Amino acid sequence: AQSVTQLDSQVPVFEEAPVELRCNYSSSVSVYLFWYVQYPNQGLQLLLKYLSGSTLVESINGFEAEFNKSQTSFHLRKPSVHISDTAEYFCAVSDRLLTGGGNKLTFGTGTQLKVEL
Amino acid sequence: DAGVTQSPTHLIKTRGQQVTLRCSPISGHKSVSWYQQVLGQGPQFIFQYYEKEERGRGNFPDRFSARQFPNYSSELNVNALLLGDSALYLCASSSRWTSENTEAFFGQGTRLTVV
Repeated sequence: AQSVTQLDSQVPVFEEAPVELRCNYSSSVSVYLFWYVQYPNQGLQLLLKYLSGSTLVESINGFEAEFNKSQTSFHLRKPSVHISDTAEYFCAVSDRLLTGGGNKLTFGTGTQLKVEL
Repeated sequence: DAGVTQSPTHLIKTRGQQVTLRCSPISGHKSVSWYQQVLGQGPQFIFQYYEKEERGRGNFPDRFSARQFPNYSSELNVNALLLGDSALYLCASSSRWTSENTEAFFGQGTRLTVV
């Protein structure tokens, strides 16, 4: 069984300030890691993912996340946020070697990022 | 190219009724998964279908069922609706059914309200 913990339900931050959204996971097997973003009244959009290779992954809009296997974490960071980054952010994991196949995602409860002027 | 499309976008049903939600995956994608997102929570996995066969099932009662058609579109059915079934139902499509190099693309969801 897998679980994802997002300790911060809400993170308020001023525009142009840095932000970190925390994500920790628990799994008995190796996992793939994802961050999804959800804007109001919309579905989920993939922000970035870690599958293998470099533990630091980046998105096209300035977000980055680092996979830390020893701490079972995949925290999301951005050095300078914009008003348009206001949204809900979900961390998710997928079993690398799911018995019988499948690509089920296990999500955290989400972190609401609110960027203020 | 069209993304994942879901219909309807909003739906209001009465307790005890039955509902059918529809999903069309991205062209060329053969895997469809369904998730339930209750307000304030993360999405919970319900089903995955690939090549018209069920490949995964989450911890949901038998009132929930789904199927996938030859064109890879999918329907999610929920019988005997309860107030607790009120949620955003998300459909995700992917080109593969295994975890390897997984990327799921989500639709905008169907907002179901049970009264």
